[in-house]
Amino acid sequence: RKEVEQDPGPFNVPEGATVAFNCTYSNSASQSFFWYRQDCRKEPKLLMSVYSSGNEDGRFTAQLNRASQYISLLIRDSKLSDSATYLCVVTSGGTYKYIFGTGTRLKVLA
Amino acid sequence: SAVISQKPSRDICQRGTSLTIQCQVDSQVTMMFWYRQQPGQSLTLIATANQGSEATYESGFVIDKFPISRPNLTFSTLTVSNMSPEDSSIYLCSVEGDRETTTGELFFGEGSRLTVL
Repeated sequence: RKEVEQDPGPFNVPEGATVAFNCTYSNSASQSFFWYRQDCRKEPKLLMSVYSSGNEDGRFTAQLNRASQYISLLIRDSKLSDSATYLCVVTSGGTYKYIFGTGTRLKVLA
Repeated sequence: SAVISQKPSRDICQRGTSLTIQCQVDSQVTMMFWYRQQPGQSLTLIATANQGSEATYESGFVIDKFPISRPNLTFSTLTVSNMSPEDSSIYLCSVEGDRETTTGELFFGEGSRLTVL
């Protein structure tokens, strides 16, 4: 089983739609959780950190469920510019290692 | 945040040759990370480079194939040795943000896109 698993997609959604991605992780000792965005042929960039209480940044909402070991990302009112690959990242418990999921591709259609 | 410069940004190399990728950070950092991203894949950690000690390699990566230097707290190099087409990939340098001022996320250089013929 992979340490971090994501549905690779692609998710094709119309502009204005709401879309949700899930990510599961296998190491219950994982401590930090992130969503990164990667545009085609670009380096990954932090979208948002994920906190136990959940957090929101504009149209983006991230949730963490430690009991079930999954993380979610909700995007409301999708824009064409949201088209990208979204990477779930988890730090390995007790170490500095960042483990990347395979990413979920999102394509927002006009 | 950290600003990371990598070079070369891309290169096309012949089988059997070696290429050294340079990574420069605008601040002093303890650890620098080297990742590989093969076409259509996610990021895989190659090794962690600490200043003044040998790099720590992940399973499947060895020093003879990917020698790393870390001469100071702002610079590192990764060499891809005796290249084969399977080494065609994007190589990314990364550092962790200061945990006192950030959430500890990773910052990446723009990557070095390597094509081996």
